[in-house]
Amino acid sequence: SQELEQSPQSLIVQEGKNLTINCTSSKTLYGLYWYKQKYGEGLIFLMMLQKGGEEKSHEKITAKLDEKKQQSSLHITASQPSHAGIYLCGLRGSNYGGATNKLIFGTGTLLAVQP
Amino acid sequence: SAVISQKPSRDICQRGTSLTIQCQVDSQVTMMFWYRQQPGQSLTLIATANQGSEATYESGFVIDKFPISRPNLTFSTLTVSNMSPEDSSIYLCSVEMGAEQYFGPGTRLTVT
Repeated sequence: SQELEQSPQSLIVQEGKNLTINCTSSKTLYGLYWYKQKYGEGLIFLMMLQKGGEEKSHEKITAKLDEKKQQSSLHITASQPSHAGIYLCGLRGSNYGGATNKLIFGTGTLLAVQP
Repeated sequence: SAVISQKPSRDICQRGTSLTIQCQVDSQVTMMFWYRQQPGQSLTLIATANQGSEATYESGFVIDKFPISRPNLTFSTLTVSNMSPEDSSIYLCSVEMGAEQYFGPGTRLTVT
């Protein structure tokens, strides 16, 4: 079974629209990372959330951590074509009894933004 | 943040050969990590490389297949040995700086 589930798996939005991507864990969340990946390329670090209730924003992207729901959400406001790519959440392995600095990744969400 | 470069960016190799991937960081870091991303899949950690000690491999990965070197605090190599088509993946190195982890641009490997 997948320890980190992302939803939706894929998303197509029109430019200017808002969208939300969710990352749900089977374990408690401590140390949740969000990355963006262009197809076939490396990962771009977006932000890291340490604990429940934390919220961070960078430009038009906001991430929140809901400890009770064991879920993190990534919200993009007024989407642009430059936001297109694969969004991955990663969780510290210590949440699953593994090494702290090992990251376990979610299934990924493919975002397309139509001009 | 860290600036990470990888060489080569991509390669096409024949079955049975080996490829060494280099990872260079612009600052000294204690821990470096090697991940694999198979086609259509998410990332899986191969091993953790600390300078001055043997790499620590994850379940399912062995040193004979993926030998790693870590000669100093800014550089590491991963070798994919005796390649088969199942090794076709993107290989990414990663470093930890404080609580954040940064990734290199990846090496896209195709084995024919």
